[in-house]
Amino acid sequence: DIQMTQSPSSLSASVGDRVTITCRASQSISSYLNWYQQKPGKAPKLLIYAASSLQSGVPSRFSGSGSGTDFTLTISSLQPEDFATYYCQQSYSTRVFTFGPGTKVDIK
Amino acid sequence: QITLKESGPTLVKPTQTLTLTCTFSGFSLSTSGVGVGWIRQPPGKALEWLALIYWNDDKRYSPSLKSRLTITKDTSKNQVVLTMTNMDPVDTATYYCAHTKVAGSPFDYWGQGTLVTVSS
Repeated sequence: DIQMTQSPSSLSASVGDRVTITCRASQSISSYLNWYQQKPGKAPKLLIYAASSLQSGVPSRFSGSGSGTDFTLTISSLQPEDFATYYCQQSYSTRVFTFGPGTKVDIK
Repeated sequence: QITLKESGPTLVKPTQTLTLTCTFSGFSLSTSGVGVGWIRQPPGKALEWLALIYWNDDKRYSPSLKSRLTITKDTSKNQVVLTMTNMDPVDTATYYCAHTKVAGSPFDYWGQGTLVTVSS
């Protein structure tokens, strides 16, 4: 089965900071990598799909890149509403849909 | 507009079987490619994918939980049902259902989730 890791597990940042989160797959998943944002008590929200495609309605300060095994989610200028936990998820394997362990972004 | 909503018991006893229903609108599970999955999240922990059913009744299960899970669909009622046997306190979690439009695509619409507590 494909395993997903994320780094860091948590980070503290200030409004306006550029933030980068990394996700790594245990084998190549091409570009079948998705990013979700989750706020406390809420369902996850799809941000980025297919590694770099922005979901409709998501602000352009969010971007994704990578292919194969290494991927990044970048927030170009962190806003107050972006403090949340971010999860990557692979959809390459149509048998098992693995999520990463999450990265919590909080206020410095 | 696609919406999904989970329903079921909020409290189950250890060893009991959990039955959760996902009732959706805005799409049909008879449309080619479409799937509905279940994902759970223990309090303070990460998301864990459990199961998924496609429009053609193709089913997928988490290998670690496969022996305990059954997913079914009722296309006429726009519902997907997940059963999990032999519940344990470690299964306490918020359970979400979510839509995917084709194999390989993300979970683009999610229900609000339902918290299930396992306790005697």
